[in-house]
Amino acid sequence: AQRVTQPEKLLSVFKGAPVELKCNYSYSGSPELFWYVQYSRQRLQLLLRHISRESIKGFTADLNKGETSFHLKKPFAQEEDSAMYYCALRKGGRNQGGKLIFGQGTELSVKP
Amino acid sequence: ETGVTQTPRHLVMGMTNKKSLKCEQHLGHNAMYWYKQSAKKPLELMFVYNFKEQTENNSVPSRFSPECPNSSHLFLHLHTLQPEDSALYLCASSQDRSSGNEQFFGPGTRLTVL
Repeated sequence: AQRVTQPEKLLSVFKGAPVELKCNYSYSGSPELFWYVQYSRQRLQLLLRHISRESIKGFTADLNKGETSFHLKKPFAQEEDSAMYYCALRKGGRNQGGKLIFGQGTELSVKP
Repeated sequence: ETGVTQTPRHLVMGMTNKKSLKCEQHLGHNAMYWYKQSAKKPLELMFVYNFKEQTENNSVPSRFSPECPNSSHLFLHLHTLQPEDSALYLCASSQDRSSGNEQFFGPGTRLTVL
């Protein structure tokens, strides 16, 4: 069965420190991996996806199929990065249903 | 309002009540989704509709009944719910259900069942 694991419920760092939010998945096929973010009093929104290989707001994430991981990283955290972060997996390929499987989320708190 | 809207934003109901949640998307998308977010649990997909046809029911109890009259509107009809159904119910939409399409989420309806 497909599963997404985010081992940390809460991650607290100081401004300027590096950040790594961990995400591991289990899926035997070719997955699509996403990071969604929810800022306080805002709706859930897409942060980045692995197929784009992009950097958004200084965040990057590399899909490591050997370790089945998709960790989210930022070299220098900012206070405005404080939010809930969700890792999500979707089966790759057409007509795979669009079903997103979410991890439990990690709350990132960046202290001044 | 643009994007995905949900009404009501908050709902309190008794176990014998019948109520409906509404979702509307203004993005011209063809796929819509209902998710449930309970405390201390990951977001769980409930239903998927693609071009008004239900394509996935994730073993959801029959006390939750979805309806998709057109590609822009999605309802979740609720009846004889249980207190453990209290949660945040999120609606999302995407261009269609193919891979590669971003899902856009609504603000959610916070449901409390007494």
